[in-house]
Amino acid sequence: AQSVTQLDSHVSVSEGTPVLLRCNYSSSYSPSLFWYVQHPNKGLQLLLKYTSAATLVKGINGFEAEFKKSETSFHLTKPSAHMSDAAEYFCVVSDYQNNDMRFGAGTRLTVKP
Amino acid sequence: NAGVTQTPKFQVLKTGQSMTLQCAQDMNHNSMYWYRQDPGMGLRLIYYSASEGTTDKGEVPNGYNVSRLNKREFSLRLESAAPSQTSVYFCASGQRETQYFGPGTRLLVL
Repeated sequence: AQSVTQLDSHVSVSEGTPVLLRCNYSSSYSPSLFWYVQHPNKGLQLLLKYTSAATLVKGINGFEAEFKKSETSFHLTKPSAHMSDAAEYFCVVSDYQNNDMRFGAGTRLTVKP
Repeated sequence: NAGVTQTPKFQVLKTGQSMTLQCAQDMNHNSMYWYRQDPGMGLRLIYYSASEGTTDKGEVPNGYNVSRLNKREFSLRLESAAPSQTSVYFCASGQRETQYFGPGTRLLVL
């Protein structure tokens, strides 16, 4: 079975400083990996996805993530945080062939002025 | 192009009452999903439908039923609501490995 561990339940950064949200995964297959963002009282929006192409994936709003198979990690980064980045972020591992999609518990990002 | 829509946005039920959550998508996706979101637990899959006319259980199906009415619509029914079903429910539709989510339904069972 697949699983995802988001290593921090809460990350707080100052506006203009880098963001790092950490995600480790476990999968028996060649997984697809995703980051979704959820703003308060909203649905989930796809930030970026890795599906076995380039290991460095660029997403929307300046976010990117790097797939590291040797470390089973898929950390999300952004060079400079903006106040509008404050939200909950979910790392997801997917085995599409078996309709198995597993979510991490989420990381709440706070951005201080 | 509305994407994935869900109704209602918010609902309060008494224990034992029934209700149906509605979901529709206009992206011509074959696959549709129902999740529940609870604090500190991410999203958990309740049921999914890989194509019109088929449904399968996910991780937490007990207490729920689903109907894939047509390619666009996928409903979730609670026959006898329990306080443990208080949650936020998300519908999603998918194209291969990527899923797109609706805005959610907040359900409170008293």
